[in-house]
Amino acid sequence: GAVVSQHPSWVICKSGTSVKIECRSLDFQATTMFWYRQFPKQSLMLMATSNEGSKATYEQGVEKDKFLINHASLTLSTLTVTSAHPEDSSFYICSARDLASGRVDTGELFFGEGSRLTVL
Amino acid sequence: GQNIDQPTEMTATEGAIVQINCTYQTSGFNGLFWYQQHAGEAPTFLSYNVLDGLEEKGRFSSFLSRSKGYSYLLLKELQMKDSASYLCAVMDSNYQLIWGAGTKLIIKP
Repeated sequence: GAVVSQHPSWVICKSGTSVKIECRSLDFQATTMFWYRQFPKQSLMLMATSNEGSKATYEQGVEKDKFLINHASLTLSTLTVTSAHPEDSSFYICSARDLASGRVDTGELFFGEGSRLTVL
Repeated sequence: GQNIDQPTEMTATEGAIVQINCTYQTSGFNGLFWYQQHAGEAPTFLSYNVLDGLEEKGRFSSFLSRSKGYSYLLLKELQMKDSASYLCAVMDSNYQLIWGAGTKLIIKP
């Protein structure tokens, strides 16, 4: 299947700093990428849908000024957690659909490896 | 509201069979998915059901009853590597995936 790569896998930062997480589709083009957050023992929570060349669509309750999403190309989306605080510590996962697979309804989402953020 | 229910945790023995149930209430239905997630890793796709019935794929099978809002994932000949969380997700009428909290499956020798 298609490959989605996330970087970094682990990041530890001080409270108040900003952290950028990259999500790349390595062997396919993705006009749409999805950003999820997962707290321990909880479900994946969709944060936002990232669209290439346009503004991201944020889910209710997700602060767009805190979680900045940029989808500048068909293979790269970035999530920046601005002024991170300990409560932002979580597992952040991106996913994308392979345009070539065509069908929206097959749900062929390919996930990145995830990025574990710890804010001290 | 939209809701996906699955057991929090299950325990089974290596070599045995286990069935993980999932019930759902969503705004529309465009398919149900099962994903496997090992600790600290991203989910990987297991199966997709959109019509009623059983879909078999090797040691894993997935069943769907749309009228009952019910699905199950059946794992046969359990192996230690099957220890993971299993996530049930439903695609609603807007083609958005609604995720269950996952079932942690513990395999004992």
